[in-house]
Amino acid sequence: NAGVTQTPKFQVLKTGQSMTLQCAQDMNHEYMSWYRQDPGMGLRLIHYSVGAGITDQGEVPNGYNVSRSTTEDFPLRLLSAAPSQTSVYFCASSSPRSEAFFGQGTRLTVV
Amino acid sequence: GESVGLHLPTLSVQEGDNSIINCAYSNSASDYFIWYKQESGKGPQFIIDIRSNMDKRQGQRVTVLLNKTVKHLSLQIAATQPGDSAVYFCAEKGGSGYSTLTFGKGTMLLVSP
Repeated sequence: NAGVTQTPKFQVLKTGQSMTLQCAQDMNHEYMSWYRQDPGMGLRLIHYSVGAGITDQGEVPNGYNVSRSTTEDFPLRLLSAAPSQTSVYFCASSSPRSEAFFGQGTRLTVV
Repeated sequence: GESVGLHLPTLSVQEGDNSIINCAYSNSASDYFIWYKQESGKGPQFIIDIRSNMDKRQGQRVTVLLNKTVKHLSLQIAATQPGDSAVYFCAEKGGSGYSTLTFGKGTMLLVSP
């Protein structure tokens, strides 16, 4: 049982480049979310989805796009990477009756 | 905005001691709290949760206490082991259908053998 799978694990981007962080879950959870974690801070919510075709903004959505075309996948797109987006990104999935399960994270550096 | 925060950034204990990690929250309407453990290089892992209709909940070696009057919760770890060394976060489950989490900043627990 894979749970929540994130790819890639590490990524270095140049300022202005775009990329997509992938997230997939195999637990048939309705909810999926993206968080970023910066040093000395807790996780902050970027975007989330309560079901296929439905997305909404979290606390820090600027510079990121998401879509949810299937229940299993929830990719996070960086449109034009900036050094301020250097962070560790976590994807999570859950249902109303379950805890949230997190992926292993993607460590992104923007130079 | 509303936030969930922690009192102590680092807690150092000896193996076998009991550990207590504290968390304050500001939203009096919050009704669902979760404690997560995060080991280095990994994603957060669920430890235990508690709803506002309870004051206390126990798991294996862990107990969560909720004081709604002062908007405070704590995580107690009995007989702390070196494997308990990690960062611990309290989080509030919220949003539509409890679809999102609001995290505190975290407390690092260091357990010495």
